Amino acid sequence: KNEVEQSPQNLTAQEGEFITINCSYSVGISALHWLQQHPGGGIVSLFMLSSGKKKHGRLIATINIQEKHSSLHITASHPRDSAVYICAASNYGGSQGNLIFGKGTKLSVKP
Amino acid sequence: DSGVTQTPKHLITATGQRVTLRCSPRSGDLSVYWYQQSLDQGLQFLIQYYNGEERAKGNILERFSAQQFPDLHSELNLSSLELGDSALYFCASSVRPSSSGGGGTQYFGPGTRLLVL
Repeated sequence: KNEVEQSPQNLTAQEGEFITINCSYSVGISALHWLQQHPGGGIVSLFMLSSGKKKHGRLIATINIQEKHSSLHITASHPRDSAVYICAASNYGGSQGNLIFGKGTKLSVKP
Repeated sequence: DSGVTQTPKHLITATGQRVTLRCSPRSGDLSVYWYQQSLDQGLQFLIQYYNGEERAKGNILERFSAQQFPDLHSELNLSSLELGDSALYFCASSVRPSSSGGGGTQYFGPGTRLLVL
């Protein structure tokens, strides 16, 4: 079992739909990161959070430390949101907080 | 633009060869991380440096080595290359080391795409 699991693996949505991507982790973390990887390969950091909720534009990230679960929400989705979204846990302790990655969720938003 | 630069963007080489990938972190960032992204393994952490010193190692092969120089740029050396080393190699930087509360936001470079033939 992977230490960081994401679901779904693939997601197709119509423009305007509300989207949720889930991330569960089994390790102790100091922070949880959400990353966006564009079709060209570039990676952008969307959020880093250790508790509660963060919002940036149409993107919202939440984390429940007790349940070891995080969600990324996209409101009013748009075709330009099409990308791979990657959850990564910053694992404290022996690994010095380095990132353990989920396998990513490939999102395709159709016009 | 993240402020992190990586060169070269693409690299094609043969098995058994050695290559060097270069990364310049964002201005003010002291931590540099190297990651490998392959089709079958996804993203994996390789190694971290903070202010010139190695801080942590991940799934880095013995054939690979890295260093961070006094001007904070970093190089990842890959030797005795094998077909399976073909991947995207990303460098990222942050202000703090990841052991300090997760290290803060990591800013990723555009990556170097390595193809070993």
